[in-house]
Amino acid sequence: ILNVEQSPQSLHVQEGDSTNFTCSFPSSNFYALHWYRWETAKSPEALFVMTLNGDEKKKGRISATLNTKEGYSYLYIKGSQPEDSATYLCASAYYGGSQGNLIFGKGTKLSVKP
Amino acid sequence: DGGITQSPKYLFRKEGQNVTLSCEQNLNHDAMYWYRQDPGQGLRLIYYSQIVNDFQKGDIAEGYSVSREKKESFPLTVTSAQKNPTAFYLCASTGEIRGYTFGSGTRLTVV
Repeated sequence: ILNVEQSPQSLHVQEGDSTNFTCSFPSSNFYALHWYRWETAKSPEALFVMTLNGDEKKKGRISATLNTKEGYSYLYIKGSQPEDSATYLCASAYYGGSQGNLIFGKGTKLSVKP
Repeated sequence: DGGITQSPKYLFRKEGQNVTLSCEQNLNHDAMYWYRQDPGQGLRLIYYSQIVNDFQKGDIAEGYSVSREKKESFPLTVTSAQKNPTAFYLCASTGEIRGYTFGSGTRLTVV
């Protein structure tokens, strides 16, 4: 059974702090890594989809990197704001299965205090 | 605006009753998915469909059934055979490798 691990499980930071969290995934037959942001009472929102080793993507103050050889991705948030408070999910997809099927981690819950 | 609509938002089921959760998308996506979330757990795949009139079991399909008669619709039935149906259910769709588009979820409670 493929397992995607996210750490930490939860994180509390002050407004203005920069933070990062980790997603670890099996690297064999890897196809793609997805990051989602899930605010309470809303739908998860796609942040990034990465496929290539060394990929780095950025969206405003949020960026992500990918290492497919060792099976990890980092998500960075620069200068956290209260509106960044959410659960951040990562998910990986693999060759051999349906290419749309994702294996989700349990998420990192970020709380940003003003 | 294109998106996914799940209904109802909250659903209460009596023991032994079947209930159906609705999922409709107007994104012209081929693939649709049903996930279940329990406290402290990641999203777990129940069923998925890559194309109309075809669907496949996910990791936790027992006690659930689906249909895909139209591209836009992928309803999930929680049957009486599902022993622990209380959970949060998310529907998603994707057209290509751009990430999923999710619905807002249905919270099902057994009373």
